[in-house]
Amino acid sequence: DVKVTQSSRYLVKRTGEKVFLECVQDMDHENMFWYRQDPGLGLRLIYFSYDVKMKEKGDIPEGYSVSREKKERFSLILESASTNQTSMYLCASSSTGTLAKNIQYFGAGTRLSVL
Amino acid sequence: DAKTTQPPSMDCAEGRAANLPCNHSTISGNEYVYWYRQIHSQGPQYIIHGLKNNETNEMASLIITEDRKSSTLILPHATLRDTAVYYCIVRVADYGGSQGNLIFGKGTKLSVKP
Repeated sequence: DVKVTQSSRYLVKRTGEKVFLECVQDMDHENMFWYRQDPGLGLRLIYFSYDVKMKEKGDIPEGYSVSREKKERFSLILESASTNQTSMYLCASSSTGTLAKNIQYFGAGTRLSVL
Repeated sequence: DAKTTQPPSMDCAEGRAANLPCNHSTISGNEYVYWYRQIHSQGPQYIIHGLKNNETNEMASLIITEDRKSSTLILPHATLRDTAVYYCIVRVADYGGSQGNLIFGKGTKLSVKP
């Protein structure tokens, strides 16, 4: 069965802290995504990776960076957390097959609160 | 991408079929219809997709009208665990780069009642 695992379901951090959100997939997928989801705004793409060490900015990359050193792992980094980064963070992965590109498998999400 | 329109909410009795409509009148010939759902406080879950033929899998059936301007997701025997927000997304299948992200609208909140 397909599995995308996010390291934490709930996280509370203080303003200015460096925060790491980890995501691991076991499907050998090439593509991995980080989204954030806020009420009334839907899912917004932060960063995308289509291969190891490759990354592309999404719609809202400011204040975030990512790392993909291994195919199965995609990390989202908040260099200096701020209260406006309080949100639900969702990781997803997909294969590069033509139809499969749009079949994304999501993790359970990490609800991050920055105080 | 073609825009989709879904009712904001629907109710369904447990054990009955849930029929969730989606309008996509500007769909292009190479765009597929995808359905996802999101149960409260969980990540979205892929359900089914189709181009022009009706499709069925273990979760649901997808009926696409002949002119492809609308579709219906059918959950044949809804259970309380099917209570979720259901999203209809229209996309070209072969997107590269960061355009591969999915654009979720507001969806339909389906409430299955005992």
